[in-house]
Amino acid sequence: ELKVEQNPLFLSMQEGKNYTIYCNYSTTSDRLYWYRQDPGKSLESLFVLLSNGAVKQEGRLMASLDTKARLSTLHITAAVHDLSATYFCAVGHYGGSQGNLIFGKGTKLSVKP
Amino acid sequence: DTAVSQTPKYLVTQMGNDKSIKCEQNLGHDTMYWYKQDSKKFLKIMFSYNNKELIINETVPNRFSPKSPDKAHLNLHINSLELGDSAVYFCASKRGETQYFGPGTRLLVL
Repeated sequence: ELKVEQNPLFLSMQEGKNYTIYCNYSTTSDRLYWYRQDPGKSLESLFVLLSNGAVKQEGRLMASLDTKARLSTLHITAAVHDLSATYFCAVGHYGGSQGNLIFGKGTKLSVKP
Repeated sequence: DTAVSQTPKYLVTQMGNDKSIKCEQNLGHDTMYWYKQDSKKFLKIMFSYNNKELIINETVPNRFSPKSPDKAHLNLHINSLELGDSAVYFCASKRGETQYFGPGTRLLVL
């Protein structure tokens, strides 16, 4: 059974600081996704990582994937309050023809002034 | 334009009732999904479906059933609602490698 573990689950950081969220998964997959969820809202796709060594950046967020280590990271640079949200990683699980996502438990990020 | 829409947004009902949640996507995607997010914010796949194949997560009770009247819709029917069914239910559809999520339906069973 595919398991996805994120850490930390809670992260309180000051504006301007850097930090990394880690996502480990238990079986082979080359599809890793990062989503953002604001309180009471839906999930917004941030990054789709489809190969070993993939790195994508958008603003202050950068995601990477190491399929050999079964590890993805989401790095936050110079955090700002607007980044406060819950961040989920998800691994593509392709039993059958459609594929679905197995989610980590999420990292609740709070950025304080 | 809303890509993936769900109705209702909120649903409060009594134990034992039967209810449905509707999902529509106007993206022309072939594959749709239902996810459940519990009170601890944990997201879990319930179903994935296209016009050829339904895949059911084996942990989902058979009180839950997806019904697709056409390619743009995947509705979720729930029979004999239980307290533990209280959660947020998200519909999603997929294009390429990205899944697009609906706004969610917050279900509260009393």
